[in-house]
Amino acid sequence: DVKVTQSSRYLVKRTGEKVFLECVQDMDHENMFWYRQDPGLGLRLIYFSYDVKMKEKGDIPEGYSVSREKKERFSLILESASTNQTSMYLCASSRTVRETQYFGPGTRLLVL
Amino acid sequence: EDQVTQSPEALRLQEGESSSLNCSYTVSGLRGLFWYRQDPGKGPEFLFTLYSAGEEKEKERLKATLTKKESFLHITAPKPEDSATYLCAVQAMDSNYQLIWGAGTKLIIKP
Repeated sequence: DVKVTQSSRYLVKRTGEKVFLECVQDMDHENMFWYRQDPGLGLRLIYFSYDVKMKEKGDIPEGYSVSREKKERFSLILESASTNQTSMYLCASSRTVRETQYFGPGTRLLVL
Repeated sequence: EDQVTQSPEALRLQEGESSSLNCSYTVSGLRGLFWYRQDPGKGPEFLFTLYSAGEEKEKERLKATLTKKESFLHITAPKPEDSATYLCAVQAMDSNYQLIWGAGTKLIIKP
């Protein structure tokens, strides 16, 4: 079974804090994704990584950065958290870009 | 513009009452259509992938079908544990990796 894990289920942070969200997959997948999910808006892609140290911006990269130093790990960084970044953050991985994306359990982030 | 629309937004059924969820899409060419189930506060769980019109896939009480413009998720004799939000996503032929996501249908099955 594909397993994608995320470092925290719930996080509460203050405005201006630097926030790290980590994602690990155990299936040797090439591709990893970070999404955010807000009510009524569906899933929106923040960043995509297709290899170690390789990344592409998604639809809403502003205010975020990512890091992929090892194949199995993909980190999302909020450089200076803002209240409009309160959301559910979902990590996913896939073997190839055409194949199914498998999701982690999500991190619900609240920025106060 | 590529677009995915799911309907209805919400659906309440009695246990055992069969129905269908709709996912209509407009893309230049379809590479694949994905169905996921999402429970509250959790990540989406993969259900099916469909690649070409006429294709059908089944899993327990769920059956997914695909035409050139839409996909249906048929739920037969649902149980309360089938309550969840069902998400549809489409990958277009001219997309390297992007999925276009629908907003989901929230399904509630009452005992």
